[in-house]
Amino acid sequence: QKEVEQDPGPLSVPEGAIVSLNCTYSNSAFQYFMWYRQYSRKGPELLMYTYSSGNKEDGRFTAQVDKSSKYISLFIRDSQPSDSATYLCAMSLFSGGYNKLIFGAGTRLAVHP
Amino acid sequence: GAVVSQHPSWVICKSGTSVKIECRSLDFQATTMFWYRQFPKQSLMLMATSNEGSKATYEQGVEKDKFLINHASLTLSTLTVTSAHPEDSSFYICSGLAGVGGQFFGPGTRLTVL
Repeated sequence: QKEVEQDPGPLSVPEGAIVSLNCTYSNSAFQYFMWYRQYSRKGPELLMYTYSSGNKEDGRFTAQVDKSSKYISLFIRDSQPSDSATYLCAMSLFSGGYNKLIFGAGTRLAVHP
Repeated sequence: GAVVSQHPSWVICKSGTSVKIECRSLDFQATTMFWYRQFPKQSLMLMATSNEGSKATYEQGVEKDKFLINHASLTLSTLTVTSAHPEDSSFYICSGLAGVGGQFFGPGTRLTVL
């Protein structure tokens, strides 16, 4: 079993839809939970990060963490074609003196006009 | 946010040659940088962690003699793929650590070995 599970999709939605992206994890030692957006042939871009269980909102994006269920989500409201990208969840683990990131497989999202 | 650059963005080389990839933090000092490899339609896999002025720490299964990492300053880390072979063709991405849990990624370098 992978430490971080994420459905690779692809996920195709119409413009304006609410998108829900999810990851589950098995290691209760994970401390920070992040969502990255990666456009094709580009490096990942940090969208949001959270530490505790609960919701965090930033514009059209809401990150949700449920530590008891080991489940995190990213919601995108009023999705736009420019949101089409691969979304990677990542979790940090303090190991060897550093916060290492463990990535999910990434979910490919396509928002069509 | 913090900006990380990589050079080159794309490199093609012949089998058996060595290729150096540079990673720079442009507006912050990164005492720790990370190198990842990403195959098509797959996620990022951590290869190694480098700290300024010390030896890199490699993940299990990554050959340290093949992937040489040097972190000579607080803003520059280099990855050298020695004696590259076609199976080394991949997308190599670096990141710099800026604060707790905050890794900022470079745009990546696409390596194609013929």
